[in-house]
Amino acid sequence: DAKTTQPTSMDCAEGRAANLPCNHSTISGNEYVYWYRQIHSQGPQYIIHGLKNNETNEMASLIITEDRKSSTLILPHATLRDTAVYYCIVRVEGGSTLGRLYFGRGTQLTVWP
Amino acid sequence: DADVTQTPRNRITKTGKRIMLECSQTKGHDRMYWYRQDPGLGLRLIYYSFDVKDINKGEISDGYSVSRQAQAKFSLSLESAIPNQTALYFCATSDTTGTVGINEQFFGPGTRLTVL
Repeated sequence: DAKTTQPTSMDCAEGRAANLPCNHSTISGNEYVYWYRQIHSQGPQYIIHGLKNNETNEMASLIITEDRKSSTLILPHATLRDTAVYYCIVRVEGGSTLGRLYFGRGTQLTVWP
Repeated sequence: DADVTQTPRNRITKTGKRIMLECSQTKGHDRMYWYRQDPGLGLRLIYYSFDVKDINKGEISDGYSVSRQAQAKFSLSLESAIPNQTALYFCATSDTTGTVGINEQFFGPGTRLTVL
């Protein structure tokens, strides 16, 4: 699985958009980009995933560059409850190790009032 | 996620004791996982199970064993606990039939284990 690189920490004002970057320069053609978040010592929570196209759901938007070597998770209107560690993970959807997720250290996002 | 429960939520034990952490799920998922998390680090996979008859080692299985008693239950055991197994332990489940697929995992609330 491709490795990812994320900033250690970021902050954002409440109500503003939070843009969390992720580099995955060694991603292969069949690997998806997944984002999870973990709110202080709780179990991680799935946010969104994508392969090539930009994706949006009720929680966030995922922008993947055309060469797929990086992506950005966007929380359009950050709230204090979005303060969490955000993990960017690249995974093959199937394969012999399907279902295994490799979590790095993630980005600690702090939303301030 | 309330559909995945872990017991106990907190446990303090002594070196050399046998400990069992239990995980139950009502989501009907066939796949279950055990992770540990150390302070400031991401989660690391200990064991995973794709169905009742399937058990697989993860990244850090040494010192741990598991039992899949039923589709809904997956237990993690520390046969002889040691202090460096002090960590936060998470159970997770996933299902092949969801719209996201097997990489959407649903996590329990965690068990905080301290080995003295």
